[in-house]
Amino acid sequence: DSGVTQTPKHLITATGQRVTLRCSPRSGDLSVYWYQQSLDQGLQFLIQYYNGEERAKGNILERFSAQQFPDLHSELNLSSLELGDSALYFCASSVGWTIRETQYFGPGTRLLVL
Amino acid sequence: GESVGLHLPTLSVQEGDNSIINCAYSNSASDYFIWYKQESGKGPQFIIDIRSNMDKRQGQRVTVLLNKTVKHLSLQIAATQPGDSAVYFCAENYGQNFVFGPGTRLSVLP
Repeated sequence: DSGVTQTPKHLITATGQRVTLRCSPRSGDLSVYWYQQSLDQGLQFLIQYYNGEERAKGNILERFSAQQFPDLHSELNLSSLELGDSALYFCASSVGWTIRETQYFGPGTRLLVL
Repeated sequence: GESVGLHLPTLSVQEGDNSIINCAYSNSASDYFIWYKQESGKGPQFIIDIRSNMDKRQGQRVTVLLNKTVKHLSLQIAATQPGDSAVYFCAENYGQNFVFGPGTRLSVLP
C-alpha cells in the first residue's frame, strides 16, 4: 500500500459526459501527479500540482483539467468524454516540487466510456 | 487482475536466474531515467533511477545501465524471484515531462 488513495475504483459513463476523479496524496506529500494508462498509448504523464499550484504539464488534453485543494487532495476533471478516454488513471504523490523525486502511485481509477 | 498492454514483449526467465530488461529511449536531451514495476491490478512502483552523468547504478538486487551513445537503458535483476513477475517500464525525463516506454512483461518460471 503506497498511502495514495484514489476514488472511485471503477467508473462507467457515456460519451459526452463529464467525470471527476479524486486523489488523496500520502501524508506529508505536497506534489500530486496524474497519469493516463491506455492499451494503445501506454502510460502518459498528464499534469503535476505542487502545494496547490500547477507545476508541470505533459500530454493533457484541453478537455481535461485538474486542481489541487488546500488540503492537498486533487481532482482530475474529464469532460466531453470520448471512447478513447477509456483508460486507467493513476495519481501519484511526492514530497517536494521537483518532478525527479520518488513518486508513489495510487491503485488507479478505471474509466470506461461507452 | 487488470491487463496492462495485452501485446507487450515478454521475457521468461527461470527462478534464480538473472533477468535483463531493455529499453530504448527517444530523446538525446533526456537526462534522468527511471525504472518502474507494475504488478497486475496495481499502480507503478519506483524501482531505481539514474541520471545521465552516470553509466551504472546499483540497488538491492537491481542494476541499471545507461548507454547514452545508443540511447539505451537496461535493468538487470539478480536471482529473479516469483515476486518479480510484473510489467517493467522505463521512463525518460527532459524538462517537465516524462515519457514512458511500452513496457516488458517479466514472467518467472518455477
